[in-house]
Amino acid sequence: GAGVSQSPRYKVAKRGQDVALRCDPISGHVSLFWYQQALGQGPEFLTYFQNEAQLDKSGLPSDRFFAERPEGSVSTLKIQRTQQEDSAVYLCASSRGPISNQPQHFGDGTRLSIL
Amino acid sequence: SQQGEEDPQALSIQEGENATMNCSYKTSINNLQWYRQNSGRGLVHLILIRSNEREKHSGRLRVTLDTSKKSSSLLITASRAADTASYFCATDARAAGNKLTFGGGTRVLVKP
Repeated sequence: GAGVSQSPRYKVAKRGQDVALRCDPISGHVSLFWYQQALGQGPEFLTYFQNEAQLDKSGLPSDRFFAERPEGSVSTLKIQRTQQEDSAVYLCASSRGPISNQPQHFGDGTRLSIL
Repeated sequence: SQQGEEDPQALSIQEGENATMNCSYKTSINNLQWYRQNSGRGLVHLILIRSNEREKHSGRLRVTLDTSKKSSSLLITASRAADTASYFCATDARAAGNKLTFGGGTRVLVKP
């Protein structure tokens, strides 16, 4: 499809397990963003890539969170040793240009539940 | 922390009525964007308004921006049941490192 694709759509994990969430941005989009959205809240910024370079990771909650985009297209958000407070929807977005004065195109997110 | 705050938090209207929601923010911005989110889905971009613009239209949507009051409003005219969704404002501020900061959203219910 032409939109941003995220997988899996739902992920259930036990506390302490590692999880990996995948994002396929729109082809050719330079910028890629990860957000965390708690129930009933707006998205909170996690990290930003321009091509393969991770230019901003100031929103990552702890060193258990790690993101990569090695070839400047697909990105993976990894959470190690998951905790219950990691339960949320993780949204990925991409945009055509390198800065944030352009519309972002969002995937439908991965709903992560930590038991 | 979230820079923008939407008001009201929730809004219930009849089909055909207008819906107005407001967004206030704290620091100077480069631009402000409005997004819609249907339940269980990602956000969809509606309108981007730059800091030197005061009003913008797109179909049934009208956005205003008052930088002196650090506020914006989104008006949906002649609402339809399909407009039922959460609406978020997002600001792009230099103080925030030129990344989008979202508010908490306004949940709009349009009753047929």
